[in-house]
Amino acid sequence: DQQVKQNSPSLSVQEGRISILNCDYTNSMFDYFLWYKKYPAEGPTFLISISSIKDKNEDGRFTVFLNKSAKHLSLHIVPSQPGDSAVYFCAASDRGGGSNYKLTFGKGTLLTVNP
Amino acid sequence: EPEVTQTPSHQVTQMGQEVILRCVPISNHLYFYWYRQILGQKVEFLVSFYNNEISEKSEIFDDQFSVERPDGSNFTLKIRSTKLEDSAMYFCASSGGAIGEKAKNIQYFGAGTRLSVL
Repeated sequence: DQQVKQNSPSLSVQEGRISILNCDYTNSMFDYFLWYKKYPAEGPTFLISISSIKDKNEDGRFTVFLNKSAKHLSLHIVPSQPGDSAVYFCAASDRGGGSNYKLTFGKGTLLTVNP
Repeated sequence: EPEVTQTPSHQVTQMGQEVILRCVPISNHLYFYWYRQILGQKVEFLVSFYNNEISEKSEIFDDQFSVERPDGSNFTLKIRSTKLEDSAMYFCASSGGAIGEKAKNIQYFGAGTRLSVL
């Protein structure tokens, strides 16, 4: 049951160029979306998020776009740096009116930024 | 900067043994979670905990699993009788240190405990 899908297992870009990571979801009840970065042997690190009432959120080099009608979000990193090389996870939250904010994760995309 | 800490970083156990994974969430957070990631698979939700009780648990979280917040700082995951398929990275997370949906939704994760069941 893949409610959150990241169809590209890997992405390779040149330093200084734009990295675009994509994520699709199927559950229309998701109301909050997050991107996490993960290095080997570490836990996921929060990167940026967006509420379902918005279509764009920007934080420095990172911008997340949300297209609710297409159930699609993307993370743009510009300019990309070698230190950005990591696995990027898309995650979605569906509170369902309760006190639970569990996250549903995609499988992740390995981003490699080449110097 | 406050962080979620997990101990031990690696736990090796024999099948059928009990293990306790420990977590210290960020001190002013109110919502606590356990997730796991089997090698090569996605991060999966196990259980959420709020106001001293379980908010939701997944199908994975069967009677062999339990969680506890024994004091004001620790949050533990116990597996009573481990199975080979319990081998995974277990991540603790916490959220909700401020008012607003954004603070409740953004979860901060520990570095994980690698559980190896032999």
